[in-house]
Amino acid sequence: GESVGLHLPTLSVQEGDNSIINCAYSNSASDYFIWYKQESGKGPQFIIDIRSNMDKRQGQRVTVLLNKTVKHLSLQIAATQPGDSAVYFCAEKGGNNRLAFGKGNQVVVIP
Amino acid sequence: GAVVSQHPSRVICKSGTSVKIECRSLDFQATTMFWYRQFPKQSLMLMATSNEGSKATYEQGVEKDKFLINHASLTLSTLTVTSAHPEDSSFYICSARDPTSGGGNEQFFGPGTRLTVL
Repeated sequence: GESVGLHLPTLSVQEGDNSIINCAYSNSASDYFIWYKQESGKGPQFIIDIRSNMDKRQGQRVTVLLNKTVKHLSLQIAATQPGDSAVYFCAEKGGNNRLAFGKGNQVVVIP
Repeated sequence: GAVVSQHPSRVICKSGTSVKIECRSLDFQATTMFWYRQFPKQSLMLMATSNEGSKATYEQGVEKDKFLINHASLTLSTLTVTSAHPEDSSFYICSARDPTSGGGNEQFFGPGTRLTVL
């Protein structure tokens, strides 16, 4: 059921600064990872993905870094904008294309 | 990009009633759809995998008789919450996998359905 009083880790960042969000994943055999952005009351929105044969991938204002040695994923957002305020989730693909989501990080952009 | 819709977006029902939520892929055919549940301030938890033309595969701890899934066509999956109770109140989100996109890895998410059981 619902848990009361949970708080997501929150990153407060000044508009224009860079943001870094971190994620630890669990399955060393996972070969595909995705970052999603979720705004309040909406479904997750795809940001960027990376396969396990890469350690870095860049998109528009976003970069994903993958460190398989320590099972760590990060998302870097350049020049953070107010529209970037949201909850960010990493996800790893498991068997049968099932996704396992991380806990989530709240990003709050201060104008 | 591919679009997935859900209906209704919000539903309020009395305890003991059943509620059906629809998930549609609007511009692609999805042999596989997924149903998630999300409680406030928490992550998405996969409930089940919906396979067109066959039975759904449920995650451990999810009651298949409580959460009925039907995937009757390549563009529609439905989730029915039977005999809903207040603890079933949650945000239900579906996703659909486009086998022709991103090497078949990419899933497209619906906007979610907020269920409130009184």
